[in-house]
Amino acid sequence: EPEVTQTPSHQVTQMGQEVILRCVPISNHLYFYWYRQILGQKVEFLVSFYNNEISEKSEIFDDQFSVERPDGSNFTLKIRSTKLEDSAMYFCASSQRALQETQYFGPGTRLLVL
Amino acid sequence: ELKVEQNPLFLSMQEGKNYTIYCNYSTTSDRLYWYRQDPGKSLESLFVLLSNGAVKQEGRLMASLDTKARLSTLHITAAVHDLSATYFCAVVPYSGGGADGLTFGKGTHLIIQP
Repeated sequence: EPEVTQTPSHQVTQMGQEVILRCVPISNHLYFYWYRQILGQKVEFLVSFYNNEISEKSEIFDDQFSVERPDGSNFTLKIRSTKLEDSAMYFCASSQRALQETQYFGPGTRLLVL
Repeated sequence: ELKVEQNPLFLSMQEGKNYTIYCNYSTTSDRLYWYRQDPGKSLESLFVLLSNGAVKQEGRLMASLDTKARLSTLHITAAVHDLSATYFCAVVPYSGGGADGLTFGKGTHLIIQP
């Protein structure tokens, strides 16, 4: 069964460094998402992406974040200058269509900022 | 701002018992999702509810949606240990289209004891 994959599974970085989290959505899906989950808390929406542009973003998704679909398969989240509070699990998700469709989540990347 | 509230947040129950998890949301929505998360794992889609009165069942889990009351329930019948997990409901506000980010509740941490 097709699934969303993410790399790396774990990332440790120093405060102020840039990180890029990578996702490969399910191949025939058109809508892509990033969410984060701080340890023990609820899942929070960051951004959605469709047709090579951001469709919607939350207040969390400020200027230090950016997303890109550099080729036909990858979807990336870049954090330009990481802060301690960026430590979280980051989930990528994809759906075939926006309406009436399940969003399928990847296994996540656990980011630790020291 | 859309608010999604689940209760209870923690639930310990015995195998064989029935129980219901409630999900209230604060604004008009035409889609409600239930996800399951095991510790340290990703989110697994359980149900997508798309209309008022929708009811879906899978094994010992049954979900329903009342859009007028802005309430969804997840009912567990004759619980078994394997159902121990955290259950999240998530809502998309009515928008008519677009790649919509999910707003999650805080989750219900369910422990089922023998």
